Amino acid sequence: RKEVEQDPGPFNVPEGATVAFNCTYSNSASQSFFWYRQDCRKEPKLLMSVYSSGNEDGRFTAQLNRASQYISLLIRDSKLSDSATYLCVVNDYKLSFGAGTTVTVRA
Amino acid sequence: EAGVTQFPSHSVIEKGQTVTLRCDPISGHDNLYWYRRVMGKEIKFLLHFVKESKQDESGMPNNRFLAERTGGTYSTLKVQPAELEDSGVYFCASSSRSVFSNQPQHFGDGTRLSIL
Repeated sequence: RKEVEQDPGPFNVPEGATVAFNCTYSNSASQSFFWYRQDCRKEPKLLMSVYSSGNEDGRFTAQLNRASQYISLLIRDSKLSDSATYLCVVNDYKLSFGAGTTVTVRA
Repeated sequence: EAGVTQFPSHSVIEKGQTVTLRCDPISGHDNLYWYRRVMGKEIKFLLHFVKESKQDESGMPNNRFLAERTGGTYSTLKVQPAELEDSGVYFCASSSRSVFSNQPQHFGDGTRLSIL
């Protein structure tokens, strides 16, 4: 079983739509989680940390479900600039990456 | 503040040759990491330095890969001799000195390595 699994998508949504996707992780002892964003042929960039109570940063909401070992990301009011690959990352001191979920926002 | 910088941005070499990648972390970051993404796969951890010491090198694929961080500043990753399966994007990341594991890591642009 992979350490981090994500739905690869792609999620193709119109501007203004809401899109949400999950990832699951295998290590029940993991404590720290992030969502990174990666644009084509660019480096991963930190989008947001994921806290146990769930957290929001503007149009982005991240939630953590420890019992089921999954993390979710929700994007509200999608913009064209949100088109990217979103990487679910588990931080067990070294980072374990999911393969990424591709989101394409169309005009 | 300058980010993580990597050099070169792209390297094309023939099988059997040697290549050395360099990473300059964010100033003051004691933790330096190397990762690799091969085509079609997720980004994978290679190794972790704390200052000049190797904290974890469990992700290094084999002994053709040698990482160093003399002086605890920049790091190099040498591949010798390079094989076709070494092709991919090599990312370096750094994080601030902290004993806690929830410090985010900041990534460089990566070195795209192509072995012919």
